[in-house]
Amino acid sequence: QKEVEQNSGPLSVPEGAIASLNCTYSDRGSQSFFWYRQYSGKSPELIMFIYSNGDKEDGRFTAQLNKASQYVSLLIRDSQPSDSATYLCAVTGGSSNTGKLIFGQGTTLQVKP
Amino acid sequence: GAVVSQHPSRVICKSGTSVKIECRSLDFQATTMFWYRQFPKQSLMLMATSNEGSKATYEQGVEKDKFLINHASLTLSTLTVTSAHPEDSSFYICSAGLLARETQYFGPGTRLLVL
Repeated sequence: QKEVEQNSGPLSVPEGAIASLNCTYSDRGSQSFFWYRQYSGKSPELIMFIYSNGDKEDGRFTAQLNKASQYVSLLIRDSQPSDSATYLCAVTGGSSNTGKLIFGQGTTLQVKP
Repeated sequence: GAVVSQHPSRVICKSGTSVKIECRSLDFQATTMFWYRQFPKQSLMLMATSNEGSKATYEQGVEKDKFLINHASLTLSTLTVTSAHPEDSSFYICSAGLLARETQYFGPGTRLLVL
């Protein structure tokens, strides 16, 4: 079982819709959770981080964390074509606690005009 | 957010030469920097963790004598690809960590092409 799992997609949504990206992790001791966006040919860009159970909102983005289910998600409201990218889920602070980010394989999001 | 720069952004070199890539945290002090490599359409692969003032920790399968890492200050880490070969052609990305909560910010990456 991979440490961090994401559906590779592509996830296709129409412009203006809500895009829901999901991620599960295996290390129950994980403490910090991150969502990065990576455009083709570019490096990852931090979108959000979340540490506590529940929701965290920042503009059109909402991160949701459920530690009991070992599940973290990212909702993008009013999706725009410019949101089309690969979204990487990452976790740290697990049993090894080295500070290293453990990445999922990424979900490709396509927002169609 | 924190800003991380990399230089050069793109480099082309001949096989057998060495290439140095710099990673700088511009507005914060990073005790830890990470070096990644990404091949086309593949995930990021962590190569090594660079700690200021100490030896880097390399991931399994990464040759430490080929990929030399120096983290001389809290704002600068360098990766030197020694005796580069065409199979080393890739996108090299660094990230710098803020100690609190382990948040990492990525540099823009360096695209290396070895002819």
